[in-house]
Amino acid sequence: DTGVSQDPRHKITKRGQNVTFRCDPISEHNRLYWYRQTLGQGPEFLTYFQNEAQLEKSRLLSDRFSAERPKGSFSTLEIQRTEQGDSAMYLCASSPTDSGNQPQHFGDGTRLSIL
Amino acid sequence: GENVEQHPSTLSVQEGDSAVIKCTYSDSASNYFPWYKQELGKRPQLIIDIRSNVGEKKDQRIAVTLNKTAKHFSLHITETQPEDSAVYFCAAAETSYDKVIFGPGTSLSVIP
Repeated sequence: DTGVSQDPRHKITKRGQNVTFRCDPISEHNRLYWYRQTLGQGPEFLTYFQNEAQLEKSRLLSDRFSAERPKGSFSTLEIQRTEQGDSAMYLCASSPTDSGNQPQHFGDGTRLSIL
Repeated sequence: GENVEQHPSTLSVQEGDSAVIKCTYSDSASNYFPWYKQELGKRPQLIIDIRSNVGEKKDQRIAVTLNKTAKHFSLHITETQPEDSAVYFCAAAETSYDKVIFGPGTSLSVIP
C-alpha cells in the first residue's frame, strides 16, 4: 500500500487551457475526495465519490470543473478554460466506509499555476 | 453548511512550553473532528481525531478536548519540540467518511 498518489505534482499552463489531474486512492478505499487549497488557507471541499458515484459537489465547483471516477478506482479532475483564480494546490484523499471510523488520507497534491 | 473557525492564526512558543489551538464549529450534525498537521510543501497528515461520544482524547504529547454543547474543540501540545513547527488545521465532519470542513489554520513556530 503506497498511499494516495496524485499526478502530476506540478502543472503550469496558460490561461484558457484545459488541464486534467489524476488521483489513485489507497486500494480498496471506496470513498475518494477532491479538495482545493490556496496559499495560507485550509483545504476546501470540492467533490467526493463513493465507488463510481459522485455523491456531492461543492458550489465552488463551477461548470468548468468536472470530476469522474469511472471504474470506482482512480479519479480525474478536469478544469476547462483555466482562469488565474484556478491557481491552487488540488488535493485528493481517500477513505474506506466499512472499516470502522478510518480517517481520510491525503495525497501530495497537484500544484496548478496559471500564467 | 458547516463553518469552522480557528485561532490563533499564528502562535510562537519556546521549546518545551505548551501550545493550545482553539476551534469552533457551527453545524450540530458534525460528530467527527480531525486535526491535521501540514509542513511546508507537504500533504496534510492526521495527528489525532475525536468523535462526539468522547470529551477528551490523548496521544503522547497531544490531547484534544471537545465541548459539543458549546461547539468548541481544542488541541493541546505539551513539551513542544522544533519539529512540531507546522501549520495545524482543525476540521469537522458528520463522520470520518463525509466531506471534511477545515478551519483556516494555525501556523505554529517552536523556538529552540
